[in-house]
Amino acid sequence: AQTVTQSQPEMSVQEAETVTLSCTYDTSESDYYLFWYKQPPSRQMILVIRQEAYKQQNATENRFSVNFQKAAKSFSLKISDSQLGDAAMYFCAYRSTPYTGANSKLTFGKGITLSVRP
Amino acid sequence: KAGVTQTPRYLIKTRGQQVTLSCSPISGHRSVSWYQQTPGQGLQFLFEYFSETQRNKGNFPGRFSGRQFSNSRSEMNVSTLELGDSALYLCASSTRGTSGGSQETQYFGPGTRLLVL
Repeated sequence: AQTVTQSQPEMSVQEAETVTLSCTYDTSESDYYLFWYKQPPSRQMILVIRQEAYKQQNATENRFSVNFQKAAKSFSLKISDSQLGDAAMYFCAYRSTPYTGANSKLTFGKGITLSVRP
Repeated sequence: KAGVTQTPRYLIKTRGQQVTLSCSPISGHRSVSWYQQTPGQGLQFLFEYFSETQRNKGNFPGRFSGRQFSNSRSEMNVSTLELGDSALYLCASSTRGTSGGSQETQYFGPGTRLLVL
C-alpha cells in the first residue's frame, strides 16, 4: 500500500517570502499522480498543483511550483511571494494510475498548517 | 461551471440515528468519491461511484453506504451513528477518464460537517 508522509506539522512564512513544504511517499509503482491540495479555514479542499510521475518536468502554477524527485520519492511544494491568503492547511496526496478500480482513491498525508506573517 | 455542491453543510445527530448526505458533482463528471476527515485519522477514503456502480471501497464498516443516481448525484448514508462518526465528510468529483491529464483530478465540495451527540 502507498503511504504519504508530511513530517512538518506547522510552518510559518513572512509575507512576500518563499516557503517550501515537504512531502515524501512510498510506492512500488512506476506511474502515478501526486497532488497538493489547500484547505483554508472554510474547509473547502482546493487543488493547488498536480504532477504526473512519468513527466520529468516539474509542474508550475503561477506562484506555486513543485520539486519532484522520483528516485527519492519526494514531492515538495514551493510557494513564492507568499500572500496572506496562502494561510491554510496543505495536503500532499497520491493516486495510482490508470484511473480504474482500486486506483481511484487519493491517499493523503496528515497535512501541514501554513501561517503567513504580515 | 458550477463546482461540487454538498448538502447539508452542517448536521447534528444523536447516537443511534442515521444520516444521509448528498453530493452533486461538477456538470459532466460521472465519478463521485467520498472521504471522511477527522483530526485523529486525517483524510480517509470511503468509496467511489461511477456510472451508478460502486467501483472502490475503503476500510469502513458496513454502516457506511452510498449510491449514485443516473444524473451522477450521489448520496452517502451512515446508519446507527456513533460518536466517532463526527467528522467532515468531503465529496469529490472527476471525469474519471482513461487518457490521463486533467481527467485524473478530483475536485472537492465544501463538505458536510457532522456532529454526533
